[in-house]
Order: sequence, then structure tokens, then C-alpha cells
Amino acid sequence: DTAVSQTPKYLVTQMGNDKSIKCEQNLGHDTMYWYKQDSKKFLKIMFSYNNKELIINETVPNRFSPKSPDKAHLNLHINSLELGDSAVYFCASSGDGPPEAFFGQGTRLTVV
Amino acid sequence: AQSVTQLDSHVSVSEGTPVLLRCNYSSSYSPSLFWYVQHPNKGLQLLLKYTSAATLVKGINGFEAEFKKSETSFHLTKPSAHMSDAAEYFCVVSPSGSARQLTFGSGTQLTVLP
Repeated sequence: DTAVSQTPKYLVTQMGNDKSIKCEQNLGHDTMYWYKQDSKKFLKIMFSYNNKELIINETVPNRFSPKSPDKAHLNLHINSLELGDSAVYFCASSGDGPPEAFFGQGTRLTVV
Repeated sequence: AQSVTQLDSHVSVSEGTPVLLRCNYSSSYSPSLFWYVQHPNKGLQLLLKYTSAATLVKGINGFEAEFKKSETSFHLTKPSAHMSDAAEYFCVVSPSGSARQLTFGSGTQLTVLP
């Protein structure tokens, strides 16, 4: 069983479109995250979310929004896509135990 | 505030020789430290973690790391490299007890030569 799964794995879209990436975790964790990995492989957190609070990295444009239908899912919506949004986006989750995060396989987004 | 510096962006070793990937950290708190590995076009997998227990931490696939507070280092080692070890490695720091504030290093690309 995949612990943290994201779909799609690859996403190619045109500038100006709106797209979503889905994430699901079956670990029973309370907190989920979205990370962005740029072309130099640098990873930066975008959001952390549990049912009590959403913490947004202040550098994230408001075109990006996380939506959580339930504790096991955290989807990422992106409006008006720009070329600079091209990156690999990772979903992750963590629980109340050891301070470690479990990551999904990543979604490679290419904006053309 | 916290930060992580991975001292080498690329490391090349021959198969069967030792691996050393260097990491220095800065943290205002007693940190938790991690090494993650990313194989090409794959997700991030946890190799090992330090969370204030034993300073020598053993991980998967024969990797280990030693937490040295006096040197603020958490270097990753393996006695004998295997071709399958070729990947990107990330050193990560977080304040003790929280996965919500993971700070990633810039990564080290490990190449294993036949």
C-alpha cells in the first residue's frame, strides 16, 4: 500500500490554465504539506495544514490554494498558471509521533 | 532560525569505496536531523533520523550518520558504495518535536562509478 499518493504524476498545461493536484495519505496522520522542488532540486515548503490551522509560506502566490475535503486528503489548486510554476510538487504528511514527514512520489508540472 | 548547509553539490565515488556526504546545520533549538534520498524521478525516502537519542544513527541500505553537536554536523556515510546508491541526498533539520518546520539542504548528487 502506498502511504502518500499523488495524482497525476505528470501534468503538462498551458499558461493561464487552472489545475489541481490531488494527494491522499493512508497513514492516519493529522498534518499534511505541499512542497515545491525547483529546477535546482531545492525543496521549499508551501503549506502545512491540519484540521486546526493552515500555515502558508509567505512567499507562495495566492494563486496557489490548498483544499482539504477530509483529514486524509490535501489537494493543491493552482489558478492562472505561469511558466515559473513549472516544478515538481511533493505532498507529505506527518503524525504526532516522531518529527518526520512521509513524501509522495511527486507531480512534475510543466507549464508551456 | 534554522538552516542546513550541504557542503558538496556533487560527490563521485567508485563502486565498493566509502561514501561521505557532508552536512552542517544551524538551529536555535535542539534539532532533529534527517537524511532523505531521492532517486531519479522518484519521491523522497527517509534514510535515517536523529531525534536526541544515540548520536550514531543507522539507517536503511547500510547508511549511517553521526550527530556531532560540537561541530554542528550530521555527515552521512556508507562503508561501500553500490551502483543503486546513485541518487540525490538531502540533509534536513527541524526543531525538536516538529515535522512542520523541516528545512532542507540544497542536496548532494551522488554518482557511483563502475
